[in-house]
Amino acid sequence: GAVVSQHPSRVICKSGTSVKIECRSLDFQATTMFWYRQFPKKSLMLMATSNEGSKATYEQGVEKDKFLINHASLTLSTLTVTSAHPEDSSFYICSARHPQRGRIYNEQFFGPGTRLTVL
Amino acid sequence: AQTVTQSQPEMSVQEAETVTLSCTYDTSENNYYLFWYKQPPSRQMILVIRQEAYKQQNATENRFSVNFQKAAKSFSLKISDSQLGDTAMYFCAFTTGANSKLTFGKGITLSVRP
Repeated sequence: GAVVSQHPSRVICKSGTSVKIECRSLDFQATTMFWYRQFPKKSLMLMATSNEGSKATYEQGVEKDKFLINHASLTLSTLTVTSAHPEDSSFYICSARHPQRGRIYNEQFFGPGTRLTVL
Repeated sequence: AQTVTQSQPEMSVQEAETVTLSCTYDTSENNYYLFWYKQPPSRQMILVIRQEAYKQQNATENRFSVNFQKAAKSFSLKISDSQLGDTAMYFCAFTTGANSKLTFGKGITLSVRP
């Protein structure tokens, strides 16, 4: 159990277009999901915390108008990169807090990531 | 603010040998949780082991064990009988509770040599 999926696994888009990445908890309901960005050989950088039914909480320095997050249901959060530019190219990872294990240990389960390339 | 420090960027170990990855953290909290995550070349983050700060006993999961020194704020990971599949980046992570964020260290790249 505790599987998180992401779609697409990789996407290539043209500069100026928008790209949507989906994060789904497949076998549990997640009121809280997280979005991270990771550069090659670097650590995960938290971008925002996504809460079901409310606005996302963005980390300092992350443009909320550029990285739109919607957590419309207990199993789905989406990240939309608007007006993408080459510097937005990166690996984006989501995670979901498990309702039981998260309450006890704050355990998060991670999706497989999405590689975004902006040409 | 909480910080997690992994000072070794890379390590290499011979297959079947033992290796220890170091991690230190800083916090003023008394109750918190520590994790080691593995990220293989597939880039899927995998939880290796978890330690609750209130537990004095070091956590163990098969070939993986930790040396948790609360007073020294140290949380090292020992991998015994290293296998080629252990080749990955390893991240130490910290959180203070159920509604808190995970804070990650910079990670260490571990290579297991055949």
